[in-house]
Amino acid sequence: SQQGEEDPQALSIQEGENATMNCSYKTSINNLQWYRQNSGRGLVHLILIRSNEREKHSGRLRVTLDTSKKSSSLLITASRAADTASYFCATDAQGAQKLVFGQGTRLTINP
Amino acid sequence: EPEVTQTPSHQVTQMGQEVILRCVPISNHLYFYWYRQILGQKVEFLVSFYNNEISEKSEIFDDQFSVERPDGSNFTLKIRSTKLEDSAMYFCASRTGHYGYTFGSGTRLTVV
Repeated sequence: SQQGEEDPQALSIQEGENATMNCSYKTSINNLQWYRQNSGRGLVHLILIRSNEREKHSGRLRVTLDTSKKSSSLLITASRAADTASYFCATDAQGAQKLVFGQGTRLTINP
Repeated sequence: EPEVTQTPSHQVTQMGQEVILRCVPISNHLYFYWYRQILGQKVEFLVSFYNNEISEKSEIFDDQFSVERPDGSNFTLKIRSTKLEDSAMYFCASRTGHYGYTFGSGTRLTVV
């Protein structure tokens, strides 16, 4: 399976702290993407990192990619209550024509 | 910014009834997708569509499911005879090239 697997499954931190979520996958990829989903709502694209990139930033988000370990991490700095959501990684595997999503991490930011 | 539009946002249907979920992908996108998310679970791939035909489908996408791009702008998912376990959020997505998947906001299907 080329699925992304994320850990932790759930993460609860205090507002202002940093949140780190990890994703592992099994096959060679073109890119890896992170999405956010508020409860019962749609998928919001956060950031895409290509296989030849190692790190990418977007505002308070920092994504790393280690293709040798087939893993990625999403760091949210200075968390806010509004960051409470589920976060999914999704891999765009080489030779595939679809995204495959991981199980997701449920992030709760406590005020 | 261009959007993928899905209608309806919520559909309730009786078990055994047919439902059609509608999507309007971004106009210059070439690849179209349907994904499903059962409540509390991960997002699962159903089917991809390119050049007016299915390019890949998952095990979930059985004979009860079909897709169509009837008029060059809409992209529909039909479930012929709904089952309770079809209750889920259904997401449409489109893209051009390897990057830039855009997802719609989803249709919540409730089968009763």
